[in-house]
Amino acid sequence: AQKVTQAQTEISVVEKEDVTLDCVYETRDTTYYLFWYKQPPSGELVFLIRRNSFDEQNEISGRYSWNFQKSTSSFNFTITASQVVDSAVYFCALSDITDSWGKLQFGAGTQVVVTP
Amino acid sequence: NAGVTQTPKFQVLKTGQSMTLQCAQDMNHEYMSWYRQDPGMGLRLIHYSVGAGITDQGEVPNGYNVSRSTTEDFPLRLLSAAPSQTSVYFCASSLQTPFEKLFFGSGTQLSVL
Repeated sequence: AQKVTQAQTEISVVEKEDVTLDCVYETRDTTYYLFWYKQPPSGELVFLIRRNSFDEQNEISGRYSWNFQKSTSSFNFTITASQVVDSAVYFCALSDITDSWGKLQFGAGTQVVVTP
Repeated sequence: NAGVTQTPKFQVLKTGQSMTLQCAQDMNHEYMSWYRQDPGMGLRLIHYSVGAGITDQGEVPNGYNVSRSTTEDFPLRLLSAAPSQTSVYFCASSLQTPFEKLFFGSGTQLSVL
């Protein structure tokens, strides 16, 4: 069975600080996909990134970066120089090919609060 | 640019009532799914569909019914509402599989009294 753990319930930072969100996953499958979604206070869910299990390259998109490490089953997300607009709940999610086909498993989410 | 449209946005029900949450997408997506979001629990999959006429259960299917008669529509039916079904419900779709980017609707806030 697949499982996603986001141990940090809430992180509060002051604007311009960096913030790292942890995501640890479990799956028996060797082929799987990992995702991050953002849910701002307005409530809609916005896709940020998708990674497959064969691509361990880190990715950077503007102030956002992701660190995928299969050895520790982690897919961490860093916001550099945070801004108030980054305040949101961030969800990590996992979908594997075999065991849980069709089912995207979300973590509990991490609330990020950025104050000016 | 409608994307995924959910109706209604808010609903209050009494215990035992039934209702249908509507979800429609105009992107010709094959994969559609319903999630519920509860505090501290993230999003949990209720049901999903990989195409017209094909549906399957997710993590928390009890008390909910779905059908997929067209590619565009994926309604979620609450057969006999219970207070435990008070939640925010999201419909989501992707082109073909759950391994792709999901497009979410704006959500339905449901309260069961």
